Amino acid sequence: EVQLLESGGGLIQPGGSLRLSCAASGFTFNSYAMSWVRQAPGKGLEWVSIVSGGGVATFYADSVKGRFTISRDNSKNTLYLQMNSLRAEDTAVYYCAKHSSSSYSFFDYWGRGTLVTVSS
Amino acid sequence: EIVLTQSPVTLSLSPGERATLSCRASQSVSSAYLAWYQQKPGQAPRLLMYGASSRATGIPDRFSGGGSGTDFTLTLSRLEPEDFAVYYCQHYGSSWTFGQGTKVEIK
Repeated sequence: EVQLLESGGGLIQPGGSLRLSCAASGFTFNSYAMSWVRQAPGKGLEWVSIVSGGGVATFYADSVKGRFTISRDNSKNTLYLQMNSLRAEDTAVYYCAKHSSSSYSFFDYWGRGTLVTVSS
Repeated sequence: EIVLTQSPVTLSLSPGERATLSCRASQSVSSAYLAWYQQKPGQAPRLLMYGASSRATGIPDRFSGGGSGTDFTLTLSRLEPEDFAVYYCQHYGSSWTFGQGTKVEIK
């Protein structure tokens, strides 16, 4: 059974940094691209970033480019999102999502999410 | 950048009724790269459809999808109580863009 478990969320002041983790199990982690998707309170879904199965290729939404860094440790089956220079508008539930293949496809599994609140 | 516009924003229906949700793209997209997700309050999204018309594993056949070019639809043939939720369409492949969602609520 595929499982994705996010952690690392919390309350952080504007300008601060936070690192999210997503522990994956139930599939061959390094064979699939992974993404972070966020959802501001009461709002829709926004894709944030993707990393290839091998971890070499990464892409970011314009809203986070230069501030967030996605990475993965395939030896630990874990996905990360390093978030710097956080802003109030980054407040959201952050989901990690598994792509259906090694290519940049749809998301077939999602974690339950971790809430990040940026506020002073 | 492809923008997806979903309509209606809210759909008020009774159990047993048919629901038709629309997703319109700002430019033509391949139907191979259109997905639908369902999200219930406090839960993560769940994949319903991919490739515009292929049901994901475990999705009942009362869900169907179709369309091409710029216009896509998700149809729920007969609403069950568990189907009342928010539905998002998504374009994927070179970018991962979501529509703003359609809420299907109980009338």
